[in-house]
Amino acid sequence: KAGVTQTPRYLIKTRGQQVTLSCSPISGHRSVSWYQQTPGQGLQFLFEYFSETQRNKGNFPGRFSGRQFSNSRSEMNVSTLELGDSALYLCASSLEGTSSGETQYFGPGTRLLVL
Amino acid sequence: AQTVTQSQPEMSVQEAETVTLSCTYDTSESNYYLFWYKQPPSRQMILVIRQEAYKQQNATENRFSVNFQKAAKSFSLKISDSQLGDTAMYFCAAIIQGAQKLVFGQGTRLTINP
Repeated sequence: KAGVTQTPRYLIKTRGQQVTLSCSPISGHRSVSWYQQTPGQGLQFLFEYFSETQRNKGNFPGRFSGRQFSNSRSEMNVSTLELGDSALYLCASSLEGTSSGETQYFGPGTRLLVL
Repeated sequence: AQTVTQSQPEMSVQEAETVTLSCTYDTSESNYYLFWYKQPPSRQMILVIRQEAYKQQNATENRFSVNFQKAAKSFSLKISDSQLGDTAMYFCAAIIQGAQKLVFGQGTRLTINP
């Protein structure tokens, strides 16, 4: 089976712009979670989607949003980018989601640089 | 709040040695799952090992094993016969019942020297 894929892999944006990141889960997986990784804050949970519904949301401002499509692919959007949004954004997929304690399988990440 | 703590920011050992990475967690829940993930320079997060809290037997995967001490809330990772390819950041993580997310520790940067 193909692993989790994320596009694009690298992105450079300027402050004030918006960005959309995409994640395709492992075939058959219905849950997608997103995490932000920065040197200062480490790995922080953004949100989890399951069957097109947001199950949980982390402590991030409303500029961060996401959605999941019927084929389980997920997108996250960041509007009005700030310098502090520069990070590696990781998505992870699983069959039933974190509530089942399943292993989360991660994609290679999208590295976002905000100038 | 549930937390995961890794007290060793960096470790370095010689190839073929055994190394143990420490992790402690804090939760009042009885049902939870613990993980060790490896993140090499490519930044791809890779599962090393998974432990279910209700299982007393320590999980093992080839050269990787854990020492799960539930009462002490400790979950250390032992790497035997370390190899150069084991060089990476290692993250301890937990899914606590009801939390619906992975909570990560700060990570331990492990370097295996030839």
